[in-house]
Amino acid sequence: AQSVAQPEDQVNVAEGNPLTVKCTYSVSGNPYLFWYVQYPNRGLQFLLKYITGDNLVKGSYGFEAEFNKSQTSFHLKKPSALVSDSALYFCAVRDSGTYKYIFGTGTRLKVLA
Amino acid sequence: DAGVTQSPTHLIKTRGQQVTLRCSPISGHKSVSWYQQVLGQGPQFIFQYYEKEERGRGNFPDRFSARQFPNYSSELNVNALLLGDSALYLCASTNPGANVLTFGAGSRLTVL
Repeated sequence: AQSVAQPEDQVNVAEGNPLTVKCTYSVSGNPYLFWYVQYPNRGLQFLLKYITGDNLVKGSYGFEAEFNKSQTSFHLKKPSALVSDSALYFCAVRDSGTYKYIFGTGTRLKVLA
Repeated sequence: DAGVTQSPTHLIKTRGQQVTLRCSPISGHKSVSWYQQVLGQGPQFIFQYYEKEERGRGNFPDRFSARQFPNYSSELNVNALLLGDSALYLCASTNPGANVLTFGAGSRLTVL
């Protein structure tokens, strides 16, 4: 069965520093991987996706993610964090052959001024 | 363009009652999915509908049902509510092949 894991419940980073939010996956076949962000009392907003192609994927708001097949990881990164990046981040994988998306448990990012 | 709209935004029910949640997809999107997000957890897949047919169902009891209308809007119905049904219910729309779900803001259900 497809799954994703987010090993960190919370990540703290100082404003201006680079940030990384970790995600590992377990899939059969080629993975369709996604990152979403959720602000308080809001739905999820799409940040970026990896379907095929370059391992470094660029997305919204300056975020990027690196697909690493050997380590089965898809970590979210940003070179310089903003206080406004503070939110809940979810990694997800699309179940192969379906349109069911499987989400991780989420990582709360806190960017400190 | 309007995004995915959901109603109501908040509601409170008591155990044993029934609830209906509504979702309007982005114009042109023909697929609607429903997810349940319990506090502190990631969204869990409940249903996916495309062209008014159920295309996928998650591991939820038969108390949960849904349907999609000719205008592609959708309703999620939950019968015999339990305390554990308290959650944020998210609707997402997409077109097959697009690979990106666009979510609404959700309906927060509290069961007392």
